[in-house]
Amino acid sequence: ETGVTQTPRHLVMGMTNKKSLKCEQHLGHNAMYWYKQSAKKPLELMFVYSLEERVENNSVPSRFSPECPNSSHLFLHLHTLQPEDSALYLCASSQDLEGGAFFGQGTRLTVV
Amino acid sequence: AQSVTQLGSHVSVSEGALVLLRCNYSSSVPPYLFWYVQYPNQGLQLLLKYTSAATLVKGINGFEAEFKKSETSFHLTKPSAHMSDAAEYFCAVRDYGGATNKLIFGTGTLLAVQP
Repeated sequence: ETGVTQTPRHLVMGMTNKKSLKCEQHLGHNAMYWYKQSAKKPLELMFVYSLEERVENNSVPSRFSPECPNSSHLFLHLHTLQPEDSALYLCASSQDLEGGAFFGQGTRLTVV
Repeated sequence: AQSVTQLGSHVSVSEGALVLLRCNYSSSVPPYLFWYVQYPNQGLQLLLKYTSAATLVKGINGFEAEFKKSETSFHLTKPSAHMSDAAEYFCAVRDYGGATNKLIFGTGTLLAVQP
């Protein structure tokens, strides 16, 4: 148990579907992150939320839409994805990164 | 901006042998450095961290890393490899750019342990 929970663990979706990934942290952290991990590529930071405000968006296509309704929850809304969006999506949280970031187990997304 | 470079995308050792995974950093300020481990289809687990205290840092599962400023290195070691150490290892540095702090990761090193 890492304190960061992601659901679902696996998701298969068609290119015309709309789905959402959920992340929940019970560590009292003030920042949350979405990372994308694709095969043979470095971890890519997608979005950063600090105190529920989006503070960074690393040129992520608009078909990915994050939402942070409170300090414990983070969502990634997905629509009209492409097959190349298939990857492991990792959520993390931290308290100013003093102790590092704590990661969830990830959601394995397959776009068909 | 801060960055890390991991030398060797694949490392193979025999069970019981020394594990050495290399990481070099680039930072304009005193760095905060981290090592993470990832098992297949899992998230990243923090192994250890350097935050400007002792230069030799001990982590979980018998791993340790030494911060060497003169070499801009933060290599991960373990005296004796176990089969259960087979996983992918990531070095990371805290980046102060932008509106908040974030972790910048290396490309990872896949460790194989042979019986």
